[in-house]
Amino acid sequence: QKEVEQNSGPLSVPEGAIASLNCTYSDRGSQSFFWYRQYSGKSPELIMFIYSNGDKEDGRFTAQLNKASQYVSLLIRDSQPSDSATYLCAVEVSPGYSSASKIIFGSGTRLSIRP
Amino acid sequence: DAGITQSPRYKITETGRQVTLMCHQTWSHSYMFWYRQDLGHGLRLIYYSAAADITDKGEVPDGYVVSRSKTENFPLTLESATRSQTSVYFCASSEEGESQPQHFGDGTRLSIL
Repeated sequence: QKEVEQNSGPLSVPEGAIASLNCTYSDRGSQSFFWYRQYSGKSPELIMFIYSNGDKEDGRFTAQLNKASQYVSLLIRDSQPSDSATYLCAVEVSPGYSSASKIIFGSGTRLSIRP
Repeated sequence: DAGITQSPRYKITETGRQVTLMCHQTWSHSYMFWYRQDLGHGLRLIYYSAAADITDKGEVPDGYVVSRSKTENFPLTLESATRSQTSVYFCASSEEGESQPQHFGDGTRLSIL
């Protein structure tokens, strides 16, 4: 099982609707969770991070974290064509007692907003 | 402008040659990272550095060498390039730990013939 899993998509959402992106992770000890947006041919850009269970809102973006179920999601309200990109979920994992934690990236979900 | 700069942006080389990818950041971030991104694999960590003169292996370090003599620079060297190292390479930095938000450079697209 991969440490961080995302549906590769493409996820097609009509303009103005809510886009829902999901990510599951395997390390129960994970404490830090990130969402990055990556446009084609560009570098990943941090859009949200969340550390506590529940919801965190920033403009049209809401990150939701459920540690008991080991998933983190990203909601994009009022989707715009400019939101069309690949969204990468990244999760902190702890390899072991004596090893430093590190961030593992999922393979990303391709989101397409149709006009 | 403050930020993280990678050079070159594009590089074509031949199997067996040595290649060095440069990364420079102006934020004075302690941590720096090198990733490669390939279709189907997402971003995979090659090496990271917690501070000057401190480096550690990531998920896929074989065939790569790093150094960090100055906080702002973190070059990645492919000592003898192989075709399997054809990829897009991203450098990133973060202010504190390995598990903090990371900020990425624009990437280097490397092709090995």
